[in-house]
Amino acid sequence: GQQVMQIPQYQHVQEGEDFTTYCNSSTTLSNIQWYKQRPGGHPVFLIQLVKSGEVKKQKRLTFQFGEAKKNSSLHITATQTTDVGTYFCWNRDDKIIFGKGTRLHILP
Amino acid sequence: KAGVTQTPRYLIKTRGQQVTLSCSPISGHRSVSWYQQTPGQGLQFLFEYFSETQRNKGNFPGRFSGRQFSNSRSEMNVSTLELGDSALYLCASSLADRVYGYTFGSGTRLTVV
Repeated sequence: GQQVMQIPQYQHVQEGEDFTTYCNSSTTLSNIQWYKQRPGGHPVFLIQLVKSGEVKKQKRLTFQFGEAKKNSSLHITATQTTDVGTYFCWNRDDKIIFGKGTRLHILP
Repeated sequence: KAGVTQTPRYLIKTRGQQVTLSCSPISGHRSVSWYQQTPGQGLQFLFEYFSETQRNKGNFPGRFSGRQFSNSRSEMNVSTLELGDSALYLCASSLADRVYGYTFGSGTRLTVV
């Protein structure tokens, strides 16, 4: 079956720097959902992308879905300490595959 | 509006015992999924229910089972507990299958000793 891989697994950035995590699929995806899990918390739904080339923004967060619908990215501009956590990408149709996510650490 | 409620929050069990975890989805949500989260394996899908029917099942042994009731509340059961079953068990609900994002509960932290 299709598999969604996420990179990097860990990222340390200085507060104020930008951060990007990528999800890559071996096959075309009908959709991508992004979630954030704070340390000790549970995943929280951020956004869903369904259209080729789609770009959505939430304040400092920019989500993109590739033209071929095989990859997606989440970019955070000027990170803050509140951005700490693990960011997951997930293909809604294939719940069996749920990437390990990218753990973001912010250095003060 | 109340979120997804999972009970109990914490549980300590002995190897060989069985355990039942409960999940009450957001009112009106008919889709409920269960996940196991461990530091080493990340989030792993257990099963998904929609309108009392199991729609999908992950790659877990038969000791893991679940069900959904007519009011959309769901339970999962693990029999003959093993040390490796220690994990955070998360339940997630959605308004409709395969359309919306999922809302996760706070989880049940199960420790098997």
